[in-house]
Amino acid sequence: DTAVSQTPKYLVTQMGNDKSIKCEQNLGHDTMYWYKQDSKKFLKIMFSYNNKELIINETVPNRFSPKSPDKAHLNLHINSLELGDSAVYFCASSQGVRGPSGYTFGSGTRLTVV
Amino acid sequence: AQSVTQLDSHVSVSEGTPVLLRCNYSSSYSPSLFWYVQHPNKGLQLLLKYTSAATLVKGINGFEAEFKKSETSFHLTKPSAHMSDAAEYFCVVANYGGSQGNLIFGKGTKLSVKP
Repeated sequence: DTAVSQTPKYLVTQMGNDKSIKCEQNLGHDTMYWYKQDSKKFLKIMFSYNNKELIINETVPNRFSPKSPDKAHLNLHINSLELGDSAVYFCASSQGVRGPSGYTFGSGTRLTVV
Repeated sequence: AQSVTQLDSHVSVSEGTPVLLRCNYSSSYSPSLFWYVQHPNKGLQLLLKYTSAATLVKGINGFEAEFKKSETSFHLTKPSAHMSDAAEYFCVVANYGGSQGNLIFGKGTKLSVKP
């Protein structure tokens, strides 16, 4: 069983389109995250949800909107996609915001905007 | 503010020789530190973590790291490299503030292993 699963794994789309990435965790964790990895492999937090409540919202364009229907799911919707949105997006989860055991990451969604 | 600096962007070793990946941290409180590994086109896997227990931390696949407060370092080592160790390695510090928390990643060190 995959602990943190993201779909799709690959996403190729045209500029201006709207797309969503889904994330689900079966670890019973209460906190979930979205991280963005750029072309230089640098990883940066985008959003964090604890028990379905948004607790971290970094400086991210408002074209990006996370949604957490329950604590096992955190989806990412992106409007009006731009070339610069091309990156790998990782979902992660932890128990509590301090995540004493570290975070468990999904395998990533590689988004390519053409 | 919390931060980590990985001192080498690329390290190349021969199979069977020791691995040393260097990381310095900056923290305004006692830090929680992690090493993650990312194999090509794969997700991130936790190698090991330091959370103020023993200063020498053992992880998976024979890796270990030593927390040295006096040097603000958390270097990752392995006695003998395998071809399968070739990957990108990230040193990470936890950033906690009030009800928030997240992980701050270093820029990564690419480990190449030559036969």
